[in-house]
Amino acid sequence: QKEVEQDPGPLSVPEGAIVSLNCTYSNSAFQYFMWYRQYSRKGPELLMYTYSSGNKEDGRFTAQVDKSSKYISLFIRDSQPSDSATYLCAMSGVLMAGGSYIPTFGRGTSLIVHP
Amino acid sequence: SQTIHQWPATLVQPVGSPLSLECTVEGTSNPNLYWYRQAAGRGLQLLFYSVGIGQISSEVPQNLSASRPQDRQFILSSKKLLLSDSGFYLCAWSVATAGNQPQHFGDGTRLSIL
Repeated sequence: QKEVEQDPGPLSVPEGAIVSLNCTYSNSAFQYFMWYRQYSRKGPELLMYTYSSGNKEDGRFTAQVDKSSKYISLFIRDSQPSDSATYLCAMSGVLMAGGSYIPTFGRGTSLIVHP
Repeated sequence: SQTIHQWPATLVQPVGSPLSLECTVEGTSNPNLYWYRQAAGRGLQLLFYSVGIGQISSEVPQNLSASRPQDRQFILSSKKLLLSDSGFYLCAWSVATAGNQPQHFGDGTRLSIL
């Protein structure tokens, strides 16, 4: 079983829809959760990060963490064609020298928002 | 604000040729630096990371190497490229403090080996 599971999609939705992107994980030691957006031929861009269970909102984006279920979600409200991208989840994983953590990434979900 | 630069954006190289990809970070000091490879549908594979000048940790045995000659400069190299080295190479940085810090990525180099 992979440490982080993420459905690759593609997920196709009409403009204006609410999008739900999800990841599950197996390591209960994960405590820090991130979402990245990656446009084609570009590097991943950090969207949101959170430590705690519950919801964190930023504009049209809401990150939700349920540590008891080992399940995280990213909701996008009023989705736009410009939201079409691959969304990667990431969570804190391996401890490296200096006390920092290297995140474990999901493989990404491809989202297509059509006009 | 901090920025990260990678070059070149695309590169086509013959098998057996050498490689040098460069990454620089601006606007921060003593960052942690990372090289990843991203294959289609396979997610991000960590290749190397560095917590300081001259300090390199390798995650995957391969014919690639990394160096950090300056605080904010990270170089990925190979003496002889293989067909399997094709892919999308990403450099990233994070703040070097204890605990969890998000990584910030450059726009990558798409490497094709012929």
